[in-house]
Amino acid sequence: ATQMTQSPSSLSASVGDRVTITCRASQAIRNDLAWFQQKPGKAPQLLISTASNLQGGVPSRFSGSGSGTDFTLTISSLQPEDIATYYCLQDYYYPWTFGQGTKVEIK
Amino acid sequence: EVRLVESGGALVQRGGSLRLSCAASGFTFSDYWMSWVRQAPGKGPEWLANIKPDGTEKYYVDSVKGRFTISRDNAKNSLYLQMNVLRAEDTAVYYCARNYCPGGICYRPFEFWGQGVLVTVSS
Repeated sequence: ATQMTQSPSSLSASVGDRVTITCRASQAIRNDLAWFQQKPGKAPQLLISTASNLQGGVPSRFSGSGSGTDFTLTISSLQPEDIATYYCLQDYYYPWTFGQGTKVEIK
Repeated sequence: EVRLVESGGALVQRGGSLRLSCAASGFTFSDYWMSWVRQAPGKGPEWLANIKPDGTEKYYVDSVKGRFTISRDNAKNSLYLQMNVLRAEDTAVYYCARNYCPGGICYRPFEFWGQGVLVTVSS
């Protein structure tokens, strides 16, 4: 199975900070990488698909980049409502696999 | 409005069986690949299975292959997960999710999710 390694596993940042989360695939997955946000007690929500396509209704401070094995989710200016756990997902190979998650907190 | 509503979660004994259902509305169900995803307490999500719009192709993660079966009834706008030989490690919230995969290429995996249903396997 394709392993997805996310880093960091958690981070603490101030409101307004630029936040970057990375995801590395154990083999090349083209740009078949999605990012999800999950808040406690809720289902994950798709933020970005095919590495860089922002879903409708998602604030423009979120962006994604990368292809092949290395991918990045960036929050350009962290807001209190961004407190959540973020997961990457590769859907190029079966089984589809998630990263282990990055918990984002406010400093 | 797209709606996915899971049902069938329960407390079940190890070795037992359970069938989850997912009722879909607000879209043409027969046009979409569908998935089951689970999340164990305090853990990240885990993809379990996908099914093609017409039901002719199914894919599973190894940990459930041979024990779980994904199926659908397009006439009833419903997705199912038959779970057999349940283990303690199957304890999780189970979600159904819709994928946007025109021509089999997935551009938006898990674009919509249900609210989830809890399955607890007791030992």
